[in-house]
Amino acid sequence: NAGVTQTPKFQVLKTGQSMTLQCAQDMNHNSMYWYRQDPGMGLRLIYYSASEGTTDKGEVPNGYNVSRLNKREFSLRLESAAPSQTSVYFCASRDKGIQYFGAGTRLSVL
Amino acid sequence: ILNVEQSPQSLHVQEGDSTNFTCSFPSSNFYALHWYRWETAKSPEALFVMTLNGDEKKKGRISATLNTKEGYSYLYIKGSQPEDSATYLCAFPNYGGSQGNLIFGKGTKLSVKP
Repeated sequence: NAGVTQTPKFQVLKTGQSMTLQCAQDMNHNSMYWYRQDPGMGLRLIYYSASEGTTDKGEVPNGYNVSRLNKREFSLRLESAAPSQTSVYFCASRDKGIQYFGAGTRLSVL
Repeated sequence: ILNVEQSPQSLHVQEGDSTNFTCSFPSSNFYALHWYRWETAKSPEALFVMTLNGDEKKKGRISATLNTKEGYSYLYIKGSQPEDSATYLCAFPNYGGSQGNLIFGKGTKLSVKP
C-alpha cells in the first residue's frame, strides 16, 4: 500500500532555479492538496484540486503553479525559486473528510 | 479566515505521566474536528474525526473529547511513553469556503523522556 508518494524527499535549489515536486496517490481519491509547513506555523494550503482537471488557489499560492495531470498525480512547480520558499512541502489526498499525507519534501533555496 | 488554536505549543513529560492538551475552534457552523499525529520525519496521520457534541473517542492510551458549543477539544494521553513523542495537530474543515480543505492549528509538540 503506497498511499501518497512524494518525490524528491530532499532538494537544494539556488535562487531563480525552477523545479517540480511530484505527488501521486493510489487510493483513487478525487481531492488532492499541496501544503507547506514552516517553523511556528500550521500547515498552510498552497493549492488544491477537487478533481481531475480542476485546480484552485489556497492560502499561500504566490510563486507556485500546479498541474493535475490525471486522477493519480498532482504536481507543484516553482518557476523561480526564492529563499522564502524554503520549507517542507506536503501533498495530501482526501477521502470522507480525512486527509492522507505523503512523507514530505524538504526544500532549501539558497 | 477560520482560526484553530492549540495549547500548549510544547510539552515535556516523563515516561508514565499522563498529559492533555487543548484545541480551540470556531463554535459556529461546526462540521467536524480532526486530530492528527505527526512524528518527526514522517507524515501526519489521522487519529480521530469527531463530529458530535460530547463525543469521546479512544485509541489505546490516547483519547479525545469534544465540546462543540464552547468550541474546544481535549486530547489526553494516559501513561505517556517515549513513542508518543510527536506533534499533535488539530484541524477544522473549511467547508465555509469552496476548498473542503482542513485549517490546521500550529500543533502541540510532545516530548516524552524515558
